[in-house]
Amino acid sequence: RKEVEQDPGPFNVPEGATVAFNCTYSNSASQSFFWYRQDCRKEPKLLMSVYSSGNEDGRFTAQLNRASQYISLLIRDSKLSDSATYLCVVNEDNFNKFYFGSGTKLNVKP
Amino acid sequence: NAGVTQTPKFRILKIGQSMTLQCTQDMNHNYMYWYRQDPGMGLKLIYYSVGAGITDKGEVPNGYNVSRSTTEDFPLRLELAAPSQTSVYFCASSWQLGTDTQYFGPGTRLTVL
Repeated sequence: RKEVEQDPGPFNVPEGATVAFNCTYSNSASQSFFWYRQDCRKEPKLLMSVYSSGNEDGRFTAQLNRASQYISLLIRDSKLSDSATYLCVVNEDNFNKFYFGSGTKLNVKP
Repeated sequence: NAGVTQTPKFRILKIGQSMTLQCTQDMNHNYMYWYRQDPGMGLKLIYYSVGAGITDKGEVPNGYNVSRSTTEDFPLRLELAAPSQTSVYFCASSWQLGTDTQYFGPGTRLTVL
């Protein structure tokens, strides 16, 4: 079983749509959670950390559900520039246990 | 600040050759990491360092070596290149362990033929 699993997509949505991704993790002892964005053939960049209480940054909302062991990312009012692959990242209690999901690809179309 | 820089950007190796991937950061971060990303896959941690002179293995260390003689530099060495090492290699750094943002370099695309 993979430590972190994501639906690879692609999610094809029109501009202005709301889209949500989930990411499940296998270890209930996981401590820290993040969403990174990766553009084609580029390096990952932090989109947002995911806090237990949930957090929002503009059009982006991240949620953590420890009971069901998943995190989610909601994007409202999608822009063309949101087209990218979104990576879920989970850190367990030992430092070297830092797991990246394989990513969910989002295509926002005019 | 340049952030995290990596050289070379691209490289083709023959089986059995050796090479060093260079990584430098100018943010005075103590923590540095090497990842590999295979097509359609997530990043996997190869090695990490918590400071100059201190390194440790990640999830997929076989076939690689690292050193950390300065805070700024964290080179990754491939001794006997194999086709399975064809991948994109990313170096990253952060202020803190685990809970902190990692800043990534632009990557090195390596092909082993």
